Amino acid sequence: DVVMTQSPVSLPVTLGQPASISCRSSQSLVHRDGNTYLNWYHQRPGQSPRRLIYKVSNRDSGVPDRFSGSGSGTDFTLKISRVEAEDVGVYYCMQATHWPPYTFGQGTKLEIK
Amino acid sequence: QVQLVESGGGLVKPGGSLRVSCAASGFTFSDYYMSWFRQAPGKGLEWVSYMSSGGSIIYYADSVKGRFTISRDNAKKSLYLQMNSLRVEDTAVYYCAREGYHNTDYWGQGTLVTVSS
Repeated sequence: DVVMTQSPVSLPVTLGQPASISCRSSQSLVHRDGNTYLNWYHQRPGQSPRRLIYKVSNRDSGVPDRFSGSGSGTDFTLKISRVEAEDVGVYYCMQATHWPPYTFGQGTKLEIK
Repeated sequence: QVQLVESGGGLVKPGGSLRVSCAASGFTFSDYYMSWFRQAPGKGLEWVSYMSSGGSIIYYADSVKGRFTISRDNAKKSLYLQMNSLRVEDTAVYYCAREGYHNTDYWGQGTLVTVSS
């Protein structure tokens, strides 16, 4: 199974400041069809996960443009240009290239300083 | 809008059985593959099972293989997860989710399954 490793585990950020989360995979996530199936999800406290980014860098409808995804191969990043209060919660990366099973990073908890 | 509503969670003893359901609306259920995920209390996300739109393709996580059975009723726009031989470590919130191509987009709000004596 592909192992996904996120860092940091905890991310205290001041409102209005940028934030960055790293996600690394144990093998390349490039699919034989040429796409890279790496998603980012946000889970607010007490809520279900919401997809923010799919295929590395594509923002879902309704996701603010302060969120951006980048990366390739085994190394990926989620960036928030200016953190707002509603951004608190846990962020997960998930690979859907080599499945089953889908595998997730362990999560990064973003909190406001 | 896409809605997925899980139900059927509850308290069950180790070795017991439970069936959780997921009612879908806001999209053509019979066109989509579907999955179940779970999240143990205070822990991360884990994929559990996957079923194709017509039910011919099914996958399970190793941790539930042989104990859990996924099924669907397209006429009722519903997805099910039959859980047998439940263990304490199966305690979790169970989410159903809609699948695109190599992509899980919408998740339900979840239903809590607690396995305890």
